[in-house]
Amino acid sequence: NAGVTQTPKFQVLKTGQSMTLQCAQDMNHNSMYWYRQDPGMGLRLIYYSASEGTTDKGEVPNGYNVSRLNKREFSLRLESAAPSQTSVYFCASSEDPTQYFGPGTRLTVT
Amino acid sequence: QKEVEQNSGPLSVPEGAIASLNCTYSDRGSQSFFWYRQYSGKSPELIMFIYSNGDKEDGRFTAQLNKASQYVSLLIRDSQPSDSATYLCAFYGGSQGNLIFGKGTKLSVKP
Repeated sequence: NAGVTQTPKFQVLKTGQSMTLQCAQDMNHNSMYWYRQDPGMGLRLIYYSASEGTTDKGEVPNGYNVSRLNKREFSLRLESAAPSQTSVYFCASSEDPTQYFGPGTRLTVT
Repeated sequence: QKEVEQNSGPLSVPEGAIASLNCTYSDRGSQSFFWYRQYSGKSPELIMFIYSNGDKEDGRFTAQLNKASQYVSLLIRDSQPSDSATYLCAFYGGSQGNLIFGKGTKLSVKP
């Protein structure tokens, strides 16, 4: 039982490049979330998915897209990376209000 | 705008002392409150949740909730250097069914 897994752990992109962050959970949770965490800003919700086939914008969705591929997997895509997207990205899943976090992806955009 | 306020710290306590972490929240209707611990470079991990007014104890940790004052706290008894981390307070109140997080309080326990 791995919980929530994320790949990659680290990534460096040049401005304008694209990439997809992968997230998977094996807890059979319906809800999944993508957050970003920046120094002094706390955790901010980018997108969330209440169930397979549904997604919704969070507090800071601009510059991102998501796909809920199936119940287990929820991916986050940066179509044209910008330095402002340098951050640590966390995926989380939940069945009730309690959320469980993956290990994070540290992304640097130069 | 729903918010959580926490003192960013750092809060420094000696080993064996009681560490007291505090949090206020803006949503009077919120019913569920959470404390997460985050070690440097790691992801948040759940310590405790509390739904009812009063105290909830789990080992060395006690969460206290006062809904009338919109205040939740976390006490750590017999603090250990391994408790040194950032503690995030959160409440369930987002329109998307998400948690609203505070920015965290950094705790340092000195041997």
